[in-house]
Amino acid sequence: DTAVSQTPKYLVTQMGNDKSIKCEQNLGHDTMYWYKQDSKKFLKIMFSYNNKELIINETVPNRFSPKSPDKAHLNLHINSLELGDSAVYFCASSSAGDQPQHFGDGTRLSIL
Amino acid sequence: GENVEQHPSTLSVQEGDSAVIKCTYSDSASNYFPWYKQELGKGSQLIIDIRSNVGEKKDQRIAVTLNKTAKHFSLHITETQPEDSAVYFCAAVRWGTGRRALTFGSGTRLQVQP
Repeated sequence: DTAVSQTPKYLVTQMGNDKSIKCEQNLGHDTMYWYKQDSKKFLKIMFSYNNKELIINETVPNRFSPKSPDKAHLNLHINSLELGDSAVYFCASSSAGDQPQHFGDGTRLSIL
Repeated sequence: GENVEQHPSTLSVQEGDSAVIKCTYSDSASNYFPWYKQELGKGSQLIIDIRSNVGEKKDQRIAVTLNKTAKHFSLHITETQPEDSAVYFCAAVRWGTGRRALTFGSGTRLQVQP
């Protein structure tokens, strides 16, 4: 199926750990994104990235880092996890910066 | 930056009735306004979008209207069905200036009662 897929779907871990969330899209898109949805359901952009440019939301702590091994993947690495990192993280992609975005199903991260 | 406000936060309607969700935006230069539907445990699915050069767009039971002067846009769902129950998000972005990320509203939980 053509889609934006994220793994894992659920991630439960302890404070202080380092974890990664993977995102892959087989839509041939050039731009990928990470969004964070907090407990109040607000969806906020964390990063947007294509093979030329990474745009970082300045409110994102530097413990979060996107890594793109190739155009179809944008993984999210999180170091030294904190309680406030608990949220649902959504990956998205678009064919270009000015085209509609397609979302993955989300990764629910819970910090104990 | 852009700020998007969405109302109501919850909406309950009877099956067959219409539902309207409204959003306002702050950046008058925003030119693309998508609507997403998020079902429980799933990601957000784009259901309809509108660009600033259009005032209204319709796709079967779903329509979106845009008032650029007032800086608001609305989602209209007619003949609602139980499967329309979900959280709906509006968003806005100003394309063409290097910005790509959507600014989302806070979401509306729609419950369609059978």
